[in-house]
Amino acid sequence: NAGVTQTPKFRVLKTGQSMTLLCAQDMNHEYMYWYRQDPGMGLRLIHYSVGEGTTAKGEVPDGYNVSRLKKQNFLLGLESAAPSQTSVYFCASTRYMEEAFFGQGTRLTVV
Amino acid sequence: AQTVTQSQPEMSVQEAETVTLSCTYDTSENNYYLFWYKQPPSRQMILVIRQEAYKQQNATENRFSVNFQKAAKSFSLKISDSQLGDTAMYFCAFMKHRVQGGSEKLVFGKGMKLTVNP
Repeated sequence: NAGVTQTPKFRVLKTGQSMTLLCAQDMNHEYMYWYRQDPGMGLRLIHYSVGEGTTAKGEVPDGYNVSRLKKQNFLLGLESAAPSQTSVYFCASTRYMEEAFFGQGTRLTVV
Repeated sequence: AQTVTQSQPEMSVQEAETVTLSCTYDTSENNYYLFWYKQPPSRQMILVIRQEAYKQQNATENRFSVNFQKAAKSFSLKISDSQLGDTAMYFCAFMKHRVQGGSEKLVFGKGMKLTVNP
């Protein structure tokens, strides 16, 4: 049982480059979330989705876009990376009010 | 909007002692769910315990228990007989009860670093 898989695990980008982070879950979960974790800031919600084809903004959505074309996948895109987007990114999925399962995280550095 | 506050950024405790981690939240909802997650140095997020707001009885899971005070909007985690493996970041989280057409954000506090010393 793979659970939640994030790819890639590490990435270094130059300012202005674009990239897509992929989150895949095999638990048929309805809800999926993208967070960023920065020291002293906890986990801040970027975007989330409550079902296939639906997305919504979280606390810190600026500079990011998402898509959920298939129920099992939730993509996070950075169109023009900035140093302020250097962070560890976590994806999570859950059924309603149940335990959320997290990916292993993606460490992104923007130089 | 729902907010979750963990006012203690860091704590340390001796092995085998009891420690309490505090969490307060702000919501206008009456039905919701609260969670404590643990993040050890491996970075993996692990569910510790969960509480449904409509349940008056405090949740317990082995050495972990909560003190849920709904009126005060407080949700503290008590760890008994602390072990070295409890050393981790601990996050309090909130999810509101689903209503038709509503969206279910899972909102986290800033976390608290717990160190268990031998």
